[in-house]
Amino acid sequence: NAGVTQTPKFQVLKTGQSMTLQCAQDMNHNSMYWYRQDPGMGLRLIYYSASEGTTDKGEVPNGYNVSRLNKREFSLRLESAAPSQTSVYFCASSEFGSTGELFFGEGSRLTVL
Amino acid sequence: AQSVSQHNHHVILSEAASLELGCNYSYGGTVNLFWYVQYPGQHLQLLLKYFSGDPLVKGIKGFEAEFIKSKFSFNLRKPSVQWSDTAEYFCAVKSRHSGYALNFGKGTSLLVTP
Repeated sequence: NAGVTQTPKFQVLKTGQSMTLQCAQDMNHNSMYWYRQDPGMGLRLIYYSASEGTTDKGEVPNGYNVSRLNKREFSLRLESAAPSQTSVYFCASSEFGSTGELFFGEGSRLTVL
Repeated sequence: AQSVSQHNHHVILSEAASLELGCNYSYGGTVNLFWYVQYPGQHLQLLLKYFSGDPLVKGIKGFEAEFIKSKFSFNLRKPSVQWSDTAEYFCAVKSRHSGYALNFGKGTSLLVTP
């Protein structure tokens, strides 16, 4: 039972390079989310997809784009990486609505030099 | 503005001590509240959640939390901590805004010493 799977787990980029973080869930959840975690800042929402076919900005969307490829997959793209995007990125999924808990992937540690 | 505040950023306790981590939120209307735990090097896992009913909720590993509506609080408690409870703890509120994403507090880092 895989749950939420993120790839890659680690990545080092140079400033200006681009990359895509992949996320897939096998729980048939409608909603998916991308967060970033920085020391002392907790988790901050980058983008979310409440249901297949929709995406919306969260608290810190600048410098990122997302694609909800299908119900299972939700990718996060950095078009031109900056050192400020050095962080740990978490993908999560849940049933749509107020009561569903979020299930998290294991995280992707990104370093931008 | 809607927010979640965790009062203690770093807590150090000896094994067998009691734990209480504070969490306050500022949201109008109905709220759904969560505590997540992140063990070193791992992803977030749900400890417990409150939606309605009994304001005292019990979670995994002996943790419990009390929802006090009048104080906008959802404090996490454990009567006797163990070394294995060393982790970061996050309070979160689920909001209709942002597609029912979780809005997290900044976390409390707990170190339990032998």
